Amino acid sequence: DVKVTQSSRYLVKRTGEKVFLECVQDMDHENMFWYRQDPGLGLRLIYFSYDVKMKEKGDIPEGYSVSREKKERFSLILESASTNQTSMYLCASSFWTGMDQPQHFGDGTRLSIL
Amino acid sequence: GQQVMQIPQYQHVQEGEDFTTYCNSSTTLSNIQWYKQRPGGHPVFLIQLVKSGEVKKQKRLTFQFGEAKKNSSLHITATQTTDVGTYFCAGRRGNTPLVFGKGTRLSVIA
Repeated sequence: DVKVTQSSRYLVKRTGEKVFLECVQDMDHENMFWYRQDPGLGLRLIYFSYDVKMKEKGDIPEGYSVSREKKERFSLILESASTNQTSMYLCASSFWTGMDQPQHFGDGTRLSIL
Repeated sequence: GQQVMQIPQYQHVQEGEDFTTYCNSSTTLSNIQWYKQRPGGHPVFLIQLVKSGEVKKQKRLTFQFGEAKKNSSLHITATQTTDVGTYFCAGRRGNTPLVFGKGTRLSVIA
């Protein structure tokens, strides 16, 4: 069974802090994604990566960066946290076979910025 | 950017009633995926549709992809309390990544 593990289930940080959210998958998936989920707004793509050291901006990349140094790990970085980044963050991974494969999600990190 | 519109936003049904959620795109989609998220959980993949006019069934769930590949629907027959959750569609156009709809939250009253 695919396992996508996010480092924290709940996290509380202060405005201006640099925040790291970690995600690890154990199925050798090429693709990894970071979403944020807010009530009434669904899942919005922040960044994604199709390979090691590769990253692409999603729909809402402002205020975020990512790092993918190893295939199994995809980190989301809030450079200077702000209160409007309080949200549920979901990491996902999938194979790439020339067409879409199911995305497997982690349990999410509920991040509060005070 | 690409928009995938999903309606309704909320649906409350009596147990045993049917339920349908609709997904619409202004552009032709390569494929569409459906996910279910239980309260407090994470989205879980249900199915993918690729062909124009495709219909797939999973027990009481029926998924359709429109002939023009611009719309899709998920229909649940005789809802049960275990169907409670938010249902998301997600579509892709060309080489862009999947875009998720905002979801339909289903409540089932026993």
